Amino acid sequence: QVQLQQWGAGLLKPSETLSLTCGVYGGSLSGYHWSWIRQPPGKGLEWIGEINHSGSTNYNPSLKSRVTISVDTSKSQFSLKLSSVTAADTAVYYCTRTMTHWGQGTLVTVSS
Amino acid sequence: QAGLTQPPSVSKGLRQTATLTCTGNSNNVDNQGAAWLQQHQGHPPKLLSYRNNNRPSGISERFSASRSGNTVSLTITGLQPEDEADYYCSAWDSSLSAWVFGGGTKLTVL
Repeated sequence: QVQLQQWGAGLLKPSETLSLTCGVYGGSLSGYHWSWIRQPPGKGLEWIGEINHSGSTNYNPSLKSRVTISVDTSKSQFSLKLSSVTAADTAVYYCTRTMTHWGQGTLVTVSS
Repeated sequence: QAGLTQPPSVSKGLRQTATLTCTGNSNNVDNQGAAWLQQHQGHPPKLLSYRNNNRPSGISERFSASRSGNTVSLTITGLQPEDEADYYCSAWDSSLSAWVFGGGTKLTVL
């Protein structure tokens, strides 16, 4: 059974770069798209972007200029970087495999 | 970013049937179909159906999805207390090359 476990800093200051990593256990990266999705407190879901095992990416057009998603197949991990964060980026961030398998979520708070 | 449209809330009685709707356009719902997710407070979402009416393993047959043009629907029969949750639809938008979500519907089981 595939499991996703994510980690990264939970408290950032404005203008810093958000960095999260998602480890994939019990399955291969091949053949799937691996996404990051976020959810501001009390609000709905927002897709950030996705990557496949070969490194091909798609990004949310509204975040594209600040987002980088990368994959490390040797470690069975994929990562999210979001630059120049503001309070509007405060959210629970989830990693997911085609929305069938989800990480536990990481609350990232941006505050000065 | 253009999203999908869902009613904010729906209330139904125990053991009744609820139908949740989600409206998109020809670039997303009408083109690629949609997925439905259920989210209980404090938990990650759970996929209920994908590409309109395919259920992942372990999802109850009480959940069924359908599509008519630009609108997809999720029907939940025999409502149970544990069905009280937020429900989101999602679809791949070919014009954006991005997944889009609805704003979510809060289902209350009375």
